[in-house]
Amino acid sequence: SQELEQSPQSLIVQEGKNLTINCTSSKTLYGLYWYKQKYGEGLIFLMMLQKGGEEKSHEKITAKLDEKKQQSSLHITASQPSHAGIYLCGADFGNTDKLIFGTGTRLQVFP
Amino acid sequence: ETGVTQSPTHLIKTRGQQVTLRCSSQSGHNTVSWYQQALGQGPQFIFQYYREEENGRGNFPPRFSGLQFPNYSSELNVNALELDDSALYLCASSLEQINSPLHFGNGTRLTVT
Repeated sequence: SQELEQSPQSLIVQEGKNLTINCTSSKTLYGLYWYKQKYGEGLIFLMMLQKGGEEKSHEKITAKLDEKKQQSSLHITASQPSHAGIYLCGADFGNTDKLIFGTGTRLQVFP
Repeated sequence: ETGVTQSPTHLIKTRGQQVTLRCSSQSGHNTVSWYQQALGQGPQFIFQYYREEENGRGNFPPRFSGLQFPNYSSELNVNALELDDSALYLCASSLEQINSPLHFGNGTRLTVT
């Protein structure tokens, strides 16, 4: 969807390196969701952000929502091969639970 | 494991045919959403059902239709299949509260030849 832009489209990093994926919206977000997808499989929920300036962490993954609620970043510390996959941000623009997704960022982590 | 199961996992159909995809949601999840994901793209919202009624629809033609049943199962029906309907179809269920995360199944890979 053009409403949500993700960058980069793909990322190849060496194991142990840190990385950041960005998700930018042209409109204010009521909620921003991060999912991970293995190729050809369903989406696994990672985190949800609602408040401007909010930050959440789970294991080595941290997600932030900026103050204006139009951009989010996903940061992985000390990446591992298990982090490989497609990361998708999904946005709720109307305070509903109908999500619009970005096109995804494909992450590869090599030993 | 999200508790959302979809069947079949793979399906091959011919252009012009009709197809029914099935989804079993988590118990207690009254909302089910269907998404279409083309290769290399993010999921596109098809429609959502809440307590057996359609509750929002994306930019998909009427030949895409759905049903939701009281036992937390649901169906996606597509008539007059076109080649561009080839995609991964994902079902997602959620609680009936705003900002409740969607829990996705593993999808059905549909190929239209």
